[in-house]
Amino acid sequence: NAGVMQNPRHLVRRRGQEARLRCSPMKGHSHVYWYRQLPEEGLKFMVYLQKENIIDESGMPKERFSAEFPKEGPSILRIQQVVRGDSAAYFCASSHDATLMNTEAFFGQGTRLTVV
Amino acid sequence: QKEVEQDPGPLSVPEGAIVSLNCTYSNSAFQYFMWYRQYSRKGPELLMYTYSSGNKEDGRFTAQVDKSSKYISLFIRDSQPSDSATYLCAMSERGGSNYKLTFGKGTLLTVNP
Repeated sequence: NAGVMQNPRHLVRRRGQEARLRCSPMKGHSHVYWYRQLPEEGLKFMVYLQKENIIDESGMPKERFSAEFPKEGPSILRIQQVVRGDSAAYFCASSHDATLMNTEAFFGQGTRLTVV
Repeated sequence: QKEVEQDPGPLSVPEGAIVSLNCTYSNSAFQYFMWYRQYSRKGPELLMYTYSSGNKEDGRFTAQVDKSSKYISLFIRDSQPSDSATYLCAMSERGGSNYKLTFGKGTLLTVNP
């Protein structure tokens, strides 16, 4: 039973390019959460998605960032026109229920984005 | 003032020591409290969670919550070198947004053999 799979593990982009981060949740999980960990900062919630729906994107920057979780395939976090301040570790978590207190959310190993 | 404050350390202890890790918070709406462990270059893994004041024990780990003081702690007894990691406290509010966790910055712990 594979865990939450994120790829790539490391991603280097030049300023102005696009970054696409992928997350395959654990088998049977239909709830996906994205968090960002900036250097010297704690994990910050970005967005919560269910299949084909964005439930809560209150932590997403208003511009350049978008997320999707299609019916088939992984969840994608997309960052357009990246800037150096986007350099961070991006973590995805999944659960089979949104009430995390009753069911654990499992985190992936993260994608470390470096913008040069 | 940040919602969750956690001393980043680093904290270095000898094997067998009792470790105390702490977080304070300012948001009275936080009702659920968690501790995650994160090894270097890995994702966080849930160690313990609780939603009430008092103590919760699991093996060598004890989580303590004092809602009146807005203070939570994690104690590790008989610490082992394998406990060396970053420990993150996390919290969420009651109700439908309890998936939205607010994390502390994490405390880096090293247990020396």
